[in-house]
Amino acid sequence: QVQLMQSGGEVKRPGASVKVSCKASGYTFSSYGISWMRQAPGQGLEWMGWVSPSNGKTNYAQKFQGRVTMTTDTSTNTVDMELRSLTSDDTAVYYCARVASYFDLWGRGTLVIVSS
Amino acid sequence: SYELTQPLSVSVALGQTARILCGGNNIGDKNVHWYQQKSGQAPVVVIYSDNNRPSGIPERFSVSKSGNTATLSISRAQAGDEADYYCQVWDNSAGVFGGGTKLTVL
Repeated sequence: QVQLMQSGGEVKRPGASVKVSCKASGYTFSSYGISWMRQAPGQGLEWMGWVSPSNGKTNYAQKFQGRVTMTTDTSTNTVDMELRSLTSDDTAVYYCARVASYFDLWGRGTLVIVSS
Repeated sequence: SYELTQPLSVSVALGQTARILCGGNNIGDKNVHWYQQKSGQAPVVVIYSDNNRPSGIPERFSVSKSGNTATLSISRAQAGDEADYYCQVWDNSAGVFGGGTKLTVL
């Protein structure tokens, strides 16, 4: 079954870091890039960046440059997204999605809550 | 940075045609993709690369472009079409989403 499985929800303190995982199955992992988006409560979708599983190349949204890292592990077909220096504004559902010029396959989302 | 503008909300009577606009500078030069997001769920693509429907998406969904605007049309609107709709393009290798439009079927 073609799917993206995301890790479970997290609660973090301000200033901490969070790592969200996205495990691909049912297709050739290295053939498609993976993007990360987030959606704050009641808000729209925000693109965070993209990583190529074939060579690890990344492209981050300017807003997150220096604070986000996306990595891939071809042995486990997993993409990780780490976001550092969290604030309450980072409270959101984080989605990974497969890139086929558009986002053709989405994970179910991971809720990250940042609260003191 | 590139911006896409959508109305916050659109209402349509059951069985009529809903039109959701997405405005962007020279959007005609870009491939536009559209996503449907129902409450509590992940988005799903309904139209990709201007006017292509993935398998399982009914022909009632279509897109047109004119000038700086792309329009998602949903004909014979059904209660099940109620959702948030987002347009999306790529600009200089960065993904850009519109702010989203909440479609209400009356």
